[in-house]
Amino acid sequence: KQEVTQIPAALSVPEGENLVLNCSFTDSAIYNLQWFRQDPGKGLTSLLLIQSSQREQTSGRLNASLDKSSGRSTLYIAASQPGDSATYLCAVRQGGSQAGTALIFGKGTTLSVSS
Amino acid sequence: NAGVTQTPKFQVLKTGQSMTLQCAQDMNHEYMSWYRQDPGMGLRLIHYSVGAGITDQGEVPNGYNVSRSTTEDFPLRLLSAAPSQTSVYFCASSSLAGTSTDTQYFGPGTRLTVL
Repeated sequence: KQEVTQIPAALSVPEGENLVLNCSFTDSAIYNLQWFRQDPGKGLTSLLLIQSSQREQTSGRLNASLDKSSGRSTLYIAASQPGDSATYLCAVRQGGSQAGTALIFGKGTTLSVSS
Repeated sequence: NAGVTQTPKFQVLKTGQSMTLQCAQDMNHEYMSWYRQDPGMGLRLIHYSVGAGITDQGEVPNGYNVSRSTTEDFPLRLLSAAPSQTSVYFCASSSLAGTSTDTQYFGPGTRLTVL
């Protein structure tokens, strides 16, 4: 059974710092991996999606990497801002049959950026 | 293009009552799913559908029913509400797995309290 783990569970940094959020998964047979952002009391917003054949994706100050063989992904946030404060969720989509189309989520990393 | 919409946003039920959470998407996505989010548990899949007339169970299906009569709509029914079903419910949609580029889009959520 696929398990997704995110470390750390919470992170506090001063504005301007570069930071890395970690995600690990136990089964490397994934279709893709997606990073989401969730603000308090809100829904999930997709940040980046990495296909199983890709190594990384970039969007603005965000860069996500994927090492399928080791079961790891990182989300790099450059020059953090208070507006980046949110919970970041990692989710993998299994490969194989249609029954494996669901996302399996980690429990998230709650980021707080102070000004 | 409204994306994924959910109604209601908030709901309070008494134990034993039934209700339907509505979900609709206007992106012509084949795949739709329901998740619940609980503190410390992360997001867990309840039910999913890969097309009209096709549904299947996820990780935590007990106490919930779904049907998919159209591509656009995927309602979630609580048959006899229990306090353990107090949670935030999210509906999501994406193009059908098999194209690894598909991104999952989430609705804003329904906050349900069962007394």
